[in-house]
Order: sequence, then C-alpha cells, then structure tokens
Amino acid sequence: DAKTTQPNSMESNEEEPVHLPCNHSTISGTDYIHWYRQLPSQGPEYVIHGLTSNVNNRMASLAIAEDRKSSTLILHRATLRDAAVYYCILMGTPGQGAQKLVFGQGTRLTINP
Amino acid sequence: KAGVTQTPRYLIKTRGQQVTLSCSPISGHRSVSWYQQTPGQGLQFLFEYFSETQRNKGNFPGRFSGRQFSNSRSEMNVSTLELGDSALYLCASSLGDWTQYFGPGTRLLVL
Repeated sequence: DAKTTQPNSMESNEEEPVHLPCNHSTISGTDYIHWYRQLPSQGPEYVIHGLTSNVNNRMASLAIAEDRKSSTLILHRATLRDAAVYYCILMGTPGQGAQKLVFGQGTRLTINP
Repeated sequence: KAGVTQTPRYLIKTRGQQVTLSCSPISGHRSVSWYQQTPGQGLQFLFEYFSETQRNKGNFPGRFSGRQFSNSRSEMNVSTLELGDSALYLCASSLGDWTQYFGPGTRLLVL
C-alpha cells in the first residue's frame, strides 16, 4: 500500500482558510487521492477525492501537485465544526477489486474561536 | 436514506468470551467493510465483504471473522476475546466505488 505522510497536528482560527498538506511520493499512476475526516466520537466521513486535476465540492477543495507526489486539502472558511482528524488516503481505481482504506495517523485539526 | 447502523453501540465482555457485532449498510450498498480503531494502532482494516463474499482481509488473527448475508447486512465475530481487543469497531458500506460511508461504531470493552 502506498504510504502518505501528514503533519500530526495543525491549528487555525475560525473563518480563516486552512491548508492541510499530504505527501505521497510513492503514488502510482492509478492511485486516487482521497480525504476523509473523523469528527469527535463519530466514524470517518468522506470529504473529497481526485486523480490529477484540482477538485472542489461543497466541503472543501483538493489541490494536487503536478507530479502528484503531494496534495493539499483546503477548507476555505474553517468553522468550529471542522475540528477533526483529517486522513489522506490513496486508493486504486474503483471496481477493480476489494475496497480497503489504509489510514495513517492523520492530522488533528484544532480550530480556535 | 438511512445511514449505516451498527448494533450494539456499547458492549462489555470478559476475556475468553466471544462477541458478535452487527452492521446494516445503506440500502442498495453491497460492499461492507470492517475497521478496528484503537488509540495505539489507529484505524486498521479488518475485512471487506461484497455480495456475501470476503474480498479482502487485513492482518488480524483468525479469531476475527465475519460474514455477509443476502440482504447485505454483515456481522463480525471475535472469539476468545483478549484485553487488546478493546476498541471501537467501525463498519462502512459502499456502492462498490471508492466512497465509504461509516457507521457510528461499536465500542467494545474487554475486562
């Protein structure tokens, strides 16, 4: 399983943008970059995923480096509800076999009021 | 649409006992995965079932087993419980693409 590296923790202020980095230097050409987050006392929830191009959805944006060896999850205006552990995960092409998420330690994001 | 449900939510067992956890996926989802979460090891993949067949298995001892029924509901069984099995057990369902939807988990305490 290709490995990802994330900072253990980050801190930001409410209503400010947050940039969460992830390094994945051994990513293969068919690996998609996924982000999940786990709010306190809840199961993880899907945030966003991408392959090569930058992606936006209602929760966040994903910026992928041109060489795909790193990516950044962007929360445009953080709220207190965004305080969670964020996981960057690599996954192969869907429909090509079993589903398996390999979680690292993730980044614990603290939002200050 | 109802989310993934897991029962029971909390469980206390003693060493040597066995336990069965249940997971009901989102309607229409045929893939069910199980994960164990502990403070020391984090989130670890246990196994995944799709259409009643185990497609993938993590690095856990044979004491951990599972099954999936024709309605996609899944059960996970742990036999001969050890103290180290105390954890949050999470179930996730998927349509078979990459997005997994997690339940709230079952918190197991082994005494």
